[in-house]
Amino acid sequence: DAGVTQSPTHLIKTRGQQVTLRCSPKSGHDTVSWYQQALGQGPQFIFQYYEEEERQRGNFPDRFSGHQFPNYSSELNVNALLLGDSALYLCASAHRGRRYEQYFGPGTRLTVT
Amino acid sequence: RKEVEQDPGPFNVPEGATVAFNCTYSNSASQSFFWYRQDCRKEPKLLMSVYSSGNEDGRFTAQLNRASQYISLLIRDSKLSDSATYLCVFREAGGFKTIFGAGTRLFVKA
Repeated sequence: DAGVTQSPTHLIKTRGQQVTLRCSPKSGHDTVSWYQQALGQGPQFIFQYYEEEERQRGNFPDRFSGHQFPNYSSELNVNALLLGDSALYLCASAHRGRRYEQYFGPGTRLTVT
Repeated sequence: RKEVEQDPGPFNVPEGATVAFNCTYSNSASQSFFWYRQDCRKEPKLLMSVYSSGNEDGRFTAQLNRASQYISLLIRDSKLSDSATYLCVFREAGGFKTIFGAGTRLFVKA
C-alpha cells in the first residue's frame, strides 16, 4: 500500500521564479492538504483540496495556488518566489470520512536563493 | 494570544521515565485534537487522536481539558525510540484548517 508521495525531493530556485510541487495521496484517500514548515516550527496550513476544489486557505498570499486532479493527486504552485519561501513543503492526505487523521508525505525541501 | 502554545523543551529524560506534555489553544470552539510525532528531518506522523473522555494507546495517554483549553500527552516507560518532536494539532472551529503547534522536543537517554 503506497503512502503519500511527493516530488521532487529537493529543489533550488532563484527569487522571482515559479515552482510546482506534486503530491500523490495514499491509496483510498481523497482529501489533500498542503503545509509549509520552516525550520524549528510546526507545519503551517496553506490550503486543503477536496473534490477538486479548494476548501479553505490559510494565511498565505495568492502567490500560492493549487490544484487537485480527478485522481486526487494535487499540485502546489508558488509564483514570484521570495527568499522567505524557503521551507519544507508537506502534503498530507486523508479520507473524507476521517479528514483530520492526516498522513504526510516526505516533503519537498525548497531553497530560494 | 497565540492560537496554540507548546513548551518547546527540550525534555531530557532517562529510559523508563514518565513524561508529560501540554498544549494550550486559544479558541474555545476548536475541534478535533491530535498528537503527531516528527523525527528529525522526517514528516509528521499521526500518533493518536484526543477524545473528550481521554484515550490510551499502549504507553501513551492523551487527554483533553476543554474548560482549561489544553490537551496533554503522557508517555510512560519512555524508550530511546520515543525521542522525537511531539506536535499538537487541532482543527479550527467551523472550517477545514488544521493548526499545528511548534512542537515539544523529547530526548530519551540510556
